[in-house]
Amino acid sequence: DAKTTQPPSMDCAEGRAANLPCNHSTISGNEYVYWYRQIHSQGPQYIIHGLKNNETNEMASLIITEDRKSSTLILPHATLRDTAVYYCIVDRAAGNKLTFGGGTRVLVKP
Amino acid sequence: NAGVTQTPKFRVLKTGQSMTLLCAQDMNHEYMYWYRQDPGMGLRLIHYSVGEGTTAKGEVPDGYNVSRLKKQNFLLGLESAAPSQTSVYFCASSYGQYNSPLHFGNGTRLTVT
Repeated sequence: DAKTTQPPSMDCAEGRAANLPCNHSTISGNEYVYWYRQIHSQGPQYIIHGLKNNETNEMASLIITEDRKSSTLILPHATLRDTAVYYCIVDRAAGNKLTFGGGTRVLVKP
Repeated sequence: NAGVTQTPKFRVLKTGQSMTLLCAQDMNHEYMYWYRQDPGMGLRLIHYSVGEGTTAKGEVPDGYNVSRLKKQNFLLGLESAAPSQTSVYFCASSYGQYNSPLHFGNGTRLTVT
């Protein structure tokens, strides 16, 4: 199973873009990159996922490098409500049994 | 459309007591999962199910049992609770095996004294 590496924490100014990096150098060809976030005391919330192409939805954009060894989640205009722990996860080839690691604790400051 | 609903939200048990956590989803999802989250840590998979009548072990299955008698429900049982099982338990569901995001409930906070 591919593992991911994320910085433990980062700060972001309200209204600015937040760029969250993730390294997944051992990813295999059929594994997707998923991003979730967990706001304090709540269940994790799905944000976005992709295989090799860049993806965008109403919440965020996902940029995956051409070699697929790393990705970046972009929150275009961070708000205080975006303060959360963000998890980058690679889907196991054997099925959708996602493993959540430590994640990045993002603090959006006014 | 309620999504994934977990009951109860909170529970306190004494060591050796038993209980069942209920997870219900109304999205007609095939796959369901139970995770636990300990303070300051990520989520660890306990058990999962790939369809009605099936269950399988995850990363930390010891001390837990599960059942999936109906497609919409996934039960997590603790036969003899231990303090090490104090945790927040999250249930999740997904439509398929690949390319299918998880939808989570809001958790059950369990304390075993």
